[in-house]
Amino acid sequence: LAKTTQPISMDSYEGQEVNITCSHNNIATNDYITWYQQFPSQGPRFIIQGYKTKVTNEVASLFIPADRKSSTLSLPRVSLSDTAVYYCLVGDLSGGSYIPTFGRGTSLIVHP
Amino acid sequence: EAGVVQSPRYKIIEKKQPVAFWCNPISGHNTLYWYLQNLGQGPELLIRYENEEAVDDSQLPKDRFSAERLKGVDSTLKIQPAELGDSAVYLCASSLVAGPLETQYFGPGTRLLVL
Repeated sequence: LAKTTQPISMDSYEGQEVNITCSHNNIATNDYITWYQQFPSQGPRFIIQGYKTKVTNEVASLFIPADRKSSTLSLPRVSLSDTAVYYCLVGDLSGGSYIPTFGRGTSLIVHP
Repeated sequence: EAGVVQSPRYKIIEKKQPVAFWCNPISGHNTLYWYLQNLGQGPELLIRYENEEAVDDSQLPKDRFSAERLKGVDSTLKIQPAELGDSAVYLCASSLVAGPLETQYFGPGTRLLVL
């Protein structure tokens, strides 16, 4: 059964780089790793997705080691507006179809 | 482009009453999802539709929950009767495709409180 593990919370300060790691030991060979951001009273919003090595977009970078059992979301120079919950998502293929499975998320608080 | 629309945003009902949530996905998105999110938890998939067909509903408590997606566009999720433990946020999402490469677009959710 696909399952992810993330730190429950993290604290940072404005301007710092934040790295959030997610473990997904049972990730399927053909699965991707996707990260979402969620603000209070809103639905999750897509941040970045990757399969292996490194992916970068205008918002974040995603680092995935060769064994793909974990991934690290990197947020460069965070600001107060980056305070949110961050989820990594993998799929559960045990039932024969792809079921997106969210973890409990990491609550990031950015301090002035 | 309009995002995923959900209504109502908030609902307060007494236990044993019925309740329904409505979702309008992004135009052209064939895949629609309903999630349940409890406080402090990640979203949990209840049901997934490919067009009008429910392809994943193993997580849906079928004794009291039902869903439909007529004409493969809008969808309704119903609870009858509601229980205290159903208090949560119900999220709807849509995507162009289903599978590992899917990017889901979420609505704001409906916050349900059962008294």
